Amino acid sequence: DAKTTQPPSMDCAEGRAANLPCNHSTISGNEYVYWYRQIHSQGPQYIIHGLKNNETNEMASLIITEDRKSSTLILPHATLRDTAVYYCIVPPGGNKLVFGAGTILRVKS
Amino acid sequence: NAGVTQTPKFQVLKTGQSMTLQCAQDMNHNSMYWYRQDPGMGLRLIYYSASEGTTDKGEVPNGYNVSRLNKREFSLRLESAAPSQTSVYFCASSEVGRDLETQYFGPGTRLLVL
Repeated sequence: DAKTTQPPSMDCAEGRAANLPCNHSTISGNEYVYWYRQIHSQGPQYIIHGLKNNETNEMASLIITEDRKSSTLILPHATLRDTAVYYCIVPPGGNKLVFGAGTILRVKS
Repeated sequence: NAGVTQTPKFQVLKTGQSMTLQCAQDMNHNSMYWYRQDPGMGLRLIYYSASEGTTDKGEVPNGYNVSRLNKREFSLRLESAAPSQTSVYFCASSEVGRDLETQYFGPGTRLLVL
């Protein structure tokens, strides 16, 4: 199983871009990178996923390095409501998500 | 479209009591999951059901049983609750297909076992 490494916490000013890094150096060629977030006391929420190309949706952008050993989730204009724990996950397959400790993102006004 | 719903929201049990946590989804998903989250930790998979009529153990199945009642509903039963089962329980569902890891979560059930 590909292990992910994320910083335990980050701060971001409201209105600025939040860039959340993730290392997954043991990822294999057919494994996807998924990002979820969990706002306090709520269930996790799917954000975005990708294989090797950069991806963008209405919530965020995902930048994956060419060697696929790391990725960055970008929230282009962070708001106070984006304060949450962000999980970078490389699923081992078979319907399973393995959640680590994630990164606590604090958006400050 | 309510997504994934869970009942109850909160529950307090005494050691040895039993209870069933209910989960339902209205997205016509085939796969459903039960996770637990202990304070300050990530989610851990208890059981999952890839399709109606099938269930499989996850990472921490001991002390739990599940029933996939139909395509919409997936229940989690604690036969004899223990303080170690104090946790927040999340149900999730996903579509069959390539993006099985795109799961949709319910709001959680907060369980305290005394």
